[in-house]
Amino acid sequence: QAVVTQEPSLTVSPGGTVTLTCGSSTGAVTSGHYPYWFQQKPGQAPRTLIYDTSNKHSWTPARFSGSLLGGKAALTLSGAQPEDEAEYYCFLFYSGARVFGGGTKLTVL
Amino acid sequence: QVHLQESGPGLVKPSETLSLTCTVSGGSISSYYWSWIRQPPGKGLEWIGYIYYSGSTNYNPSLKSRVTISVDTSKNQFSLKLSSVTAADTAVYYCARLKDGHWGQGTLVTVSS
Repeated sequence: QAVVTQEPSLTVSPGGTVTLTCGSSTGAVTSGHYPYWFQQKPGQAPRTLIYDTSNKHSWTPARFSGSLLGGKAALTLSGAQPEDEAEYYCFLFYSGARVFGGGTKLTVL
Repeated sequence: QVHLQESGPGLVKPSETLSLTCTVSGGSISSYYWSWIRQPPGKGLEWIGYIYYSGSTNYNPSLKSRVTISVDTSKNQFSLKLSSVTAADTAVYYCARLKDGHWGQGTLVTVSS
C-alpha cells in the first residue's frame, strides 16, 4: 500500500506564509490523486478544507490554497492566524484505496 | 444542512465484532459516497473504506478481510462492521461524506475485556 508523507511539524509566525506538502511513495502526486486537505483541532472532528487539489468549501478561509508543487500536493497558508494552529492531514486517491498522510502539526508562534 | 451521527457500543470485547451505524439527516443518502475513518488515541487518521449508495464498496487493503460496510437507503443509514477486533482497533470512528465536507462528531470505541 502506498505511503503518503507529510512534514511532522512546521512553525509559522502570525501573518506569515507557510506551505505544507504531501508526497507519495509511488511517485509524483498528480491531479489524478485528487488531493484533499483536512484540518483538525484538539478534541474536534476533522474539517475538510480543500478537495480535488485546489477546490475550497464555503467555510474554507481565503488564506488557504491548494496546489501541486514539485511533484507533491501543497497546502499554502498566507497570513497565518492564531486559530490556524492545528493538525493538517492530506489524503490521496489510489486505484483501489485511499490513504491519509501522517499529518503536520502546525504551530503559529 | 446535512448532519451525520455515529452510534453503537463504546466498548467491545477482543475477538468480537465492532458494529457502528451512521445516520444521515437533512439530506438523502442517495447519489453519494459515504466513508468510515478512524483515529486511534493520539494518532493520525486512517481510512477504513467507503460505500456508494447503490451498495458498491471499497476497503482499506490492510482491513479488508475484517471490514464490511453496508447501506440502508430506507433508513438513510450506513453501517460498519469490523470483526475479530483487538486493542489496536481502539479508536474514534468517524463517518463522513468527504467531498462535501460533512463529518460526524466521531464515537470512541474501546476494545477491552
